[in-house]
Amino acid sequence: DAGVIQSPRHEVTEMGQEVTLRCKPISGHNSLFWYRQTMMRGLELLIYFNNNVPIDDSGMPEDRFSAKMPNASFSTLKIQPSEPRDSAVYFCASSLGDGETQYFGPGTRLLVL
Amino acid sequence: QQPVQSPQAVILREGEDAVINCSSSKALYSVHWYRQKHGEAPVFLMILLKGGEQKGHEKISASFNEKKQQSSLYLTASQLSYSGTYFCGTLGGGSNYKLTFGKGTLLTVNP
Repeated sequence: DAGVIQSPRHEVTEMGQEVTLRCKPISGHNSLFWYRQTMMRGLELLIYFNNNVPIDDSGMPEDRFSAKMPNASFSTLKIQPSEPRDSAVYFCASSLGDGETQYFGPGTRLLVL
Repeated sequence: QQPVQSPQAVILREGEDAVINCSSSKALYSVHWYRQKHGEAPVFLMILLKGGEQKGHEKISASFNEKKQQSSLYLTASQLSYSGTYFCGTLGGGSNYKLTFGKGTLLTVNP
C-alpha cells in the first residue's frame, strides 16, 4: 500500500509568494495532521482533521497559514504571504483513528528567500 | 505542554544498551515513540497505552508509568541501524487527539 504522499518534496520561493503544500493520506485513514519541524522548535503540530473536519488549529502560527481538507483523500496547507521564518520541513501524517499510530509522509522542505 | 526527554544525546558502541526517558507534567492517556533518521520522516516504533497495553516494534521495549507520567524506551544490543533521533509524543486523553512531541534524543551507534 502507498504511504502518505506529499508534494512538492522541495520548494524554494521568494518572500511574499504564496506556497501550497499538498497531502494525500493513507486510504481509509480518518485523521490527518500537519506538522512543522525546525531545529529551534522541533516537531510542532499545526492543525489536525478528523473525518475532514478541522478539530484543533491552535498550532497554526498566524493568519498567513490556512489548511483545508475538501475530501478524505486530499489536504492542502497554504502560506500566503510566505516569510523567511516559514522555512522548515512540513510533514503530513495520517492515522486510522483517534489516538492511533500516525504515519508520516516524506515531508516538504520549504525554503523562503 | 511539551514532554521532556532525557538524555538529549547519547553515543554508543554497537552492542551496548541505552535508555531514553520521557516525562510529562500532565496526566497521560498514551505515549508514542518514533525514530527519525537524518533527512527522513519520523517512523513509528511503539505506542504505550494507559492500562499497560503496548503495540509496536518487537525488538524494542518500553515502559509507561502512569502515576509518574513517565515513559522509558529500552534499546538493547544496539545496532548501527538504531542511530537516529528518538521522539516521544504524548496524548493527554479527552476528545483532543493531538500528540505533543518532545525535543528528541539523538542516538549515535558507532562500530
